[in-house]
Amino acid sequence: AQSVSQHNHHVILSEAASLELGCNYSYGGTVNLFWYVQYPGQHLQLLLKYFSGDPLVKGIKGFEAEFIKSKFSFNLRKPSVQWSDTAEYFCAVNRLTGGGNKLTFGTGTQLKVEL
Amino acid sequence: ETGVTQSPTHLIKTRGQQVTLRCSSQSGHNTVSWYQQALGQGPQFIFQYYREEENGRGNFPPRFSGLQFPNYSSELNVNALELDDSALYLCASSLALAKETQYFGPGTRLLVL
Repeated sequence: AQSVSQHNHHVILSEAASLELGCNYSYGGTVNLFWYVQYPGQHLQLLLKYFSGDPLVKGIKGFEAEFIKSKFSFNLRKPSVQWSDTAEYFCAVNRLTGGGNKLTFGTGTQLKVEL
Repeated sequence: ETGVTQSPTHLIKTRGQQVTLRCSSQSGHNTVSWYQQALGQGPQFIFQYYREEENGRGNFPPRFSGLQFPNYSSELNVNALELDDSALYLCASSLALAKETQYFGPGTRLLVL
């Protein structure tokens, strides 16, 4: 079965530190990749997505992610985090072959940014 | 543009009861997916509806059922509630099948006692 792994469950950073959250998936076919963010008390919002083309994708609020097909990875990065980035981050994969439009999510990474 | 809305926001039920959750899709979207998010977990796919037909189902028992209406709004029904059904239920809508972004509603928090 397809799975998505997020290796860091809890991350604590100081403001201005750099961020990298890992995401690996197990499916070998064609996939769409997403990062969603859930700010405290708010609903899931799309941060960025990869469908095809340039493997380095840029999203909102200065986030970016790199798709490395050979490593089945889609890591999220931000050069300098802000206190307002405190949230839970979910990586999600949509398998395009026979999987319809079903998203498989990782377990999430809780990010806390301290002042 | 109206986003995805869900009702109710919170619900408390007892074991064995039945519950219906509702979702209105984003304007122009014809596909609705339902997810269950248990505490500390990522959302898990329950099923998806496209133009009023079920199109894909996750690993959930038949007591989880759904409907999609001609206006593309949707219901999730859960019969014979169990304690483990306590979770946040998320609805997401998208423009069509595959290669489309899903936009999520705020969810319904269900507590089963």
